[in-house]
Amino acid sequence: GAGVSQSPRYKVAKRGQDVALRCDPISGHVSLFWYQQALGQGPEFLTYFQNEAQLDKSGLPSDRFFAERPEGSVSTLKIQRTQQEDSAVYLCASSPSPPSDTQYFGPGTRLTVL
Amino acid sequence: GESVGLHLPTLSVQEGDNSIINCAYSNSASDYFIWYKQESGKGPQFIIDIRSNMDKRQGQRVTVLLNKTVKHLSLQIAATQPGDSAVYFCAERASRRALTFGSGTRLQVQP
Repeated sequence: GAGVSQSPRYKVAKRGQDVALRCDPISGHVSLFWYQQALGQGPEFLTYFQNEAQLDKSGLPSDRFFAERPEGSVSTLKIQRTQQEDSAVYLCASSPSPPSDTQYFGPGTRLTVL
Repeated sequence: GESVGLHLPTLSVQEGDNSIINCAYSNSASDYFIWYKQESGKGPQFIIDIRSNMDKRQGQRVTVLLNKTVKHLSLQIAATQPGDSAVYFCAERASRRALTFGSGTRLQVQP
């Protein structure tokens, strides 16, 4: 079946603009994760949803970052008043119901803040 | 905080040879480990995983070894092919469901 999809694939924003990044997880997957990947680095955890509940947002770097998954499927990561340091690839991953731990990643959204 | 690290940033091998990518982890509470392959412009692709109650797991051309005594994880790729060229990440999971990734090893396969 279809994998995790993300849109847009590329986003250029001027500093101070708000952006919204979308993730469509694998159908039926309960868990959804957002990660941030800086150039040449491994992904770093941002936040985690189980169905529509945001169970862990300890990785969000500031209150400018906000994520939601209102119906337990599609998720949106919003970044307000973008800064240059927000430039990175934002990855979404989904996982079937626990106790399965395998996370399947989407292609990511590359955000460039000018 | 504790994190997963990698010994070698770049590994170059000849086509047909076996590759071994190593990873050290520091969180003794981690109970699940996973290897991903990431090609340029793509998201991480699942290769193989292993739980802490195992010390070896095999897949198609890949084997993961876990040594909890020295907190070491390795990925072995048999008969390495040019299509195996990518960056490989190990990741661990401890008390929360999120994964903690290392910085990656680039595997270059010479034809």
